[in-house]
Amino acid sequence: KNQVEQSPQSLIILEGKNCTLQCNYTVSPFSNLRWYKQDTGRGPVSLTIMTFSENTKSNGRYTATLDADTKQSSLHITASQLSDSASYICVVSALEGSYIPTFGRGTSLIVHP
Amino acid sequence: DAGVTQSPTHLIKTRGQQVTLRCSPKSGHDTVSWYQQALGQGPQFIFQYYEEEERQRGNFPDRFSGHQFPNYSSELNVNALLLGDSALYLCASSLNRDRGPNEKLFFGSGTQLSVL
Repeated sequence: KNQVEQSPQSLIILEGKNCTLQCNYTVSPFSNLRWYKQDTGRGPVSLTIMTFSENTKSNGRYTATLDADTKQSSLHITASQLSDSASYICVVSALEGSYIPTFGRGTSLIVHP
Repeated sequence: DAGVTQSPTHLIKTRGQQVTLRCSPKSGHDTVSWYQQALGQGPQFIFQYYEEEERQRGNFPDRFSGHQFPNYSSELNVNALLLGDSALYLCASSLNRDRGPNEKLFFGSGTQLSVL
């Protein structure tokens, strides 16, 4: 069964600090992995998409890494801002089958001033 | 260019009632997917509509039904509401020609449904 597990479940950091969110998956055969940011009461917005051959991808202060061998990904946020407070969801798609992506439960990040 | 729009934004119903949620896809998109997101959980796939037909369905009971109109907009209907149906309902649109693992979903802001 395709699964996506994220950790930690929640995280509180001070403004300006860095943090790293983790994602482990069992989706196979792997096609791509996306990180979404979801503000409270809003729909998810795509931050990055990574395919099998990509190890690192950046989007401003967000840097995603992918280790397809260990089936792990991380999202690193640098110099956090109050606006980074949100839920970050890891989503993995398979290369074949229904094409319906598998969503993780998300990590809730709170950035305090 | 309008993104995905959903209505209403909030809704309060009582157990046993029926509810209809609406979604207009991003301009040019022809495929609509619906997701249920309970508090603290990731979105769960309900079903997907293309060419006015339900193409795929997740693990949801028949109380959940939908419709897609010729203009690609869509409705989600839930009958005999249960307390457990309280959730954020998200609509996502995409292009059928991009269907596959690289399909890009654009989400609306959702409808927050509370069942009392």
